[in-house]
This record gives sequence, C-alpha cells and structure tokens, in this order.
Amino acid sequence: AQSVTQLGSHVSVSEGALVLLRCNYSSSVPPYLFWYVQYPNQGLQLLLKYTSAATLVKGINGFEAELKKSETSFHLTKPSAHMSDAAEYFCAVTDRGSTLGRLYFGRGTQLTVWP
Amino acid sequence: NAGVMQNPRHLVRRRGQEARLRCSPMKGHSHVYWYRQLPEEGLKFMVYLQKENIIDESGMPKERFSAEFPKEGPSILRIQQVVRGDSAAYFCASSPPSPYEQYFGPGTRLTVT
Repeated sequence: AQSVTQLGSHVSVSEGALVLLRCNYSSSVPPYLFWYVQYPNQGLQLLLKYTSAATLVKGINGFEAELKKSETSFHLTKPSAHMSDAAEYFCAVTDRGSTLGRLYFGRGTQLTVWP
Repeated sequence: NAGVMQNPRHLVRRRGQEARLRCSPMKGHSHVYWYRQLPEEGLKFMVYLQKENIIDESGMPKERFSAEFPKEGPSILRIQQVVRGDSAAYFCASSPPSPYEQYFGPGTRLTVT
C-alpha cells in the first residue's frame, strides 16, 4: 500500500514569505499525487495534481509543486504567502494504473501566516 | 454545477443510536468515496462505491458500518450502535469515470455523546 509522509505538522511564515510544505511518497514508481487544502470546518479543495509527465505542476492560488523522483518528493510551494493561505494542507497519492482510485493521505500540515 | 453535497452537516447521536450520513455526488459523477477524519489525523479511506456496487470496502470497520449507493438517490453511510470513538468528520468525495480527481463535500461532523 502507498504511504505519504508530510514533514512538519505545523509551519508558520510571515505574510510575503516563501511557503514550503513537504511531502514524500513511498513507492519507487511515482504514483499520481495531489495537494488539497482544507479551511476550518470545510471540505477539501483540490489545489493541484500530478498525473502526467510534466514534473512541475501549477495549481490554484499561486501554488505549485515539483515532482522529484530521485527524492520521492512532491513539495508544495508558493513564492509569497498571503493571510488567506492559512489552512491545513494535505498531500495525497493514489496508485498509478489502479482502477480503485482510493487516496492515501498524509497527516496534514497546518499553515499559519503571520501579518 | 453543484458540488458534492452532504447532509446533515452536523449530527449528534447518543451511544447506541444509529447514524445515517448522506452524500449526493456531483452531476455526472458515478464514483463515490467515503473517508473519515479523526482529530489530529489525516483522512482515512473507508469505502468506494459505484451505482449499486461496492468496489472496495477494505477501509471499513468490520462491524456496525455499512454503505450503499443505490440506483436512485444519494449514497448512504450507516453506522449502527454508535460509540464515542465514532466521533469524527466523515467526508464524501465523487469522481467522474476516470477516478483520479476526487471532489470533496463539506463533510458531516458526527458527535457521539
């Protein structure tokens, strides 16, 4: 089974600073990878996904992620944090080629943005 | 296009009662997934359904939990004889025939007293 590790359960940055949220996956063959954001008491919103050959993926709200196969990583970045980015972020994977489609989630990283 | 709908948003049950959680997928989506989010944990897969079929229930507890997705109407996650440990947020997601993009509902927050 797939597993996902998110390093750092809490990340704090100042408004305007770089955001870096870390995600590592376990399989030797890159699965399909996703980043979701969850605002308090809401469902999950898809930020971006990797399902093709392009290893640099751009998502909504200025976020992007780069797949690094040698590091089995898919870190999420944003050049300049905004107060509205404060939320919990989840990295998720699913098996490439699987017809089941179930997502395996990391434990999440809570992002705090200071003014 | 309306998103995934879940109701109720909040549900309070006493120990031993039954909880029924409903999920209406996005229009055109035939795949439904249920996930559970416990405090301080990520989301855990429970079950994957297509219309009238359970495809993968490997994440469902063996007892008291069941799920269905009938030909007509919403998908239902049913928890019988609830216990305090069932208190969690339950999320439903739906996807089109290609299962690699799941859209999540707002969740049902179950509290067992």
